Amino acid sequence: DAGVTQSPTHLIKTRGQQVTLRCSPKSGHDTVSWYQQALGQGPQFIFQYYEEEERQRGNFPDRFSGHQFPNYSSELNVNALLLGDSALYLCASSPLVAGEGRNTEAFFGQGTRLTVV
Amino acid sequence: QKEVEQNSGPLSVPEGAIASLNCTYSDRGSQSFFWYRQYSGKSPELIMFIYSNGDKEDGRFTAQLNKASQYVSLLIRDSQPSDSATYLCAVITSYDKVIFGPGTSLSVIP
Repeated sequence: DAGVTQSPTHLIKTRGQQVTLRCSPKSGHDTVSWYQQALGQGPQFIFQYYEEEERQRGNFPDRFSGHQFPNYSSELNVNALLLGDSALYLCASSPLVAGEGRNTEAFFGQGTRLTVV
Repeated sequence: QKEVEQNSGPLSVPEGAIASLNCTYSDRGSQSFFWYRQYSGKSPELIMFIYSNGDKEDGRFTAQLNKASQYVSLLIRDSQPSDSATYLCAVITSYDKVIFGPGTSLSVIP
């Protein structure tokens, strides 16, 4: 079992550019969540995808958008990058509790370290 | 009030001692509670989850949940230097969002 995989592992972008990060969930998981973790802070929830739709969203601007594909993999897109977007971006996958739609424990990928210069 | 708070660190304990990590949450209807360990520069890894009031033990780790007090803790017995990391408390709230605390840095001194 490959677990949750993210790509790329590191990325350097210039302010104003756009970036796409990718995530493949753990086998058997259908829900993907994205988090932003600044240095020294806990992960901040960006959004969650289930059945190719955004299910939940945190307090992030519309510059942050995402997508989930039929194979459950997901992309996070960030437009008009700001210096403050520099962070570790984490993808987590989990199975929703069948029939209840509740979140369960999430397993994280290794993250993508984004640096905006 | 922040949704999930953790005791401020860094926390230092000698090798072999018990490390106690605390977490409080504001949403009384929160459903599920998780402890993650994060080594510097790495992604969080799940240590334990707890859904019901009381204690849950897994090896050297014990999670304790008190929903009335809106409090969850993690005890690490016989602490080892390899336990040195940041410990993140995560809560699934009544509106089904996963909220992380800021983390507590633990240092186990040989």
